[in-house]
Amino acid sequence: GENVEQHPSTLSVQEGDSAVIKCTYSDSASNYFPWYKQELGKRPQLIIDIRSNVGEKKDQRIAVTLNKTAKHFSLHITETQPEDSAVYFCAASDRYGNKLVFGAGTILRVKS
Amino acid sequence: GAVVSQHPSRVICKSGTSVKIECRSLDFQATTMFWYRQFPKQSLMLMATSNEGSKATYEQGVEKDKFLINHASLTLSTLTVTSAHPEDSSFYICSAPLSSGNTIYFGEGSWLTVV
Repeated sequence: GENVEQHPSTLSVQEGDSAVIKCTYSDSASNYFPWYKQELGKRPQLIIDIRSNVGEKKDQRIAVTLNKTAKHFSLHITETQPEDSAVYFCAASDRYGNKLVFGAGTILRVKS
Repeated sequence: GAVVSQHPSRVICKSGTSVKIECRSLDFQATTMFWYRQFPKQSLMLMATSNEGSKATYEQGVEKDKFLINHASLTLSTLTVTSAHPEDSSFYICSAPLSSGNTIYFGEGSWLTVV
């Protein structure tokens, strides 16, 4: 089955700096790669996603890149702010784009 | 917009009893729903795929007789934790795609504490 690895497990950056979180996946049939932000005890919030026919997607300060050949995708947050501090999860779907397998998560701390 | 609702948000039960968690899709029909479990400071682990009108598909290592899943209608899936034990205490959360390959919506999650 699908295996998703996520690095780093924790990331501390200064306010205003960029943060990058990387994930790799194992199933070449995966075609949907969302990123979630989760606060303790709450549902994951989708922050950005990318499908396998696209290499890069950007939404204001957040961008995601996908390398299908290498089977890895990355989340980029620029001009980080304290409110970006949270746990971030990457995920990869099955071939139908429905069932998600999550990475282990990254605790992002933005220091002001 | 499409929403997935989960109930209850928190439940405390005694060891050995069973507890049922409901996951409802509002405004859309979900032939497939997914159940995840999340222990503190860990990731979401897929437990099973709930299929309307057929048996659920369980992930490796998940006991199907302990975690009963029923997809009674196109808008409701239930997860029953049977003979609950303290180690079953966790955050349980469901998800449903708006349609195959479309946006995936998560329920609010349910905190289960077994005492």
